[in-house]
Amino acid sequence: EAQVTQNPRYLITVTGKKLTVTCSQNMNHEYMSWYRQDPGLGLRQIYYSMNVEVTDKGDVPEGYKVSRKEKRNFPLILESPSPNQTSLYFCASSPTVAGEQYFGPGTRLTVT
Amino acid sequence: GESVGLHLPTLSVQEGDNSIINCAYSNSASDYFIWYKQESGKGPQFIIDIRSNMDKRQGQRVTVLLNKTVKHLSLQIAATQPGDSAVYFCAAPWGGSQGNLIFGKGTKLSVKP
Repeated sequence: EAQVTQNPRYLITVTGKKLTVTCSQNMNHEYMSWYRQDPGLGLRQIYYSMNVEVTDKGDVPEGYKVSRKEKRNFPLILESPSPNQTSLYFCASSPTVAGEQYFGPGTRLTVT
Repeated sequence: GESVGLHLPTLSVQEGDNSIINCAYSNSASDYFIWYKQESGKGPQFIIDIRSNMDKRQGQRVTVLLNKTVKHLSLQIAATQPGDSAVYFCAAPWGGSQGNLIFGKGTKLSVKP
C-alpha cells in the first residue's frame, strides 16, 4: 500500500531532550516536506526537500533540522525542544515539487 | 509578506446544495494552486490543483476557478454531502522556490442533513 508513515504518532517529552520524528514513504517520491499545524495558524511548512541531499527552509525552520540521506526517509530533528514546539506535525511527499502531496497521519508532540 | 488566506473561517450548507470556498493569494509568481481537505483526526488529503495558465479545472463534483487579475481562487463543491464536512485549505508556492508552500488557515465546512 502506497503510504507515508510517521513515528512516533504521539510523544510527550521535556524541554531540551533531543528527539527525532521519522518519516518514510514507499512511493519513490522526490519531494518531501514537514509541516506543523497549530490552532488558528493552519499548516506551516518547516523544511522541504526536492531530492536526496537537497533540503531547504520553509516558513518556520527555527529550532528544527532535517536530513535527506536516502529518498524514502526524511527525519525531523529537534535538537533542544521547547514548549513552543508543542504541535501536530505532518510529513508529506510528492512525485514532483508541484505535485499532489500525500500526507502522513501526523505526530502529536507535547514538550513540557 | 506572502500570504494565502481564506475569506471565511466557517461555512454551513444544506446537504445537496453547492458550496463555494474562497481563497486570496498575494504571490503573483505562483505556478500552481492546490486545494486540500482535512477531516477530523486525519492528515490533509489532496482534492484538486490548478496551474497558473488555467482559469478553471474540474474534478469529480469539484471545480476550481482561478482569477489571476484579482489573485483569487475558489473551490466549488457540487451537491454537497455529509462526507464533505471537513476543513478545506488552499495552498500556493511563495518566495523564490516552487517547493516552498504556504497554506491558508482553512475554512471549516459543515453540511446540515
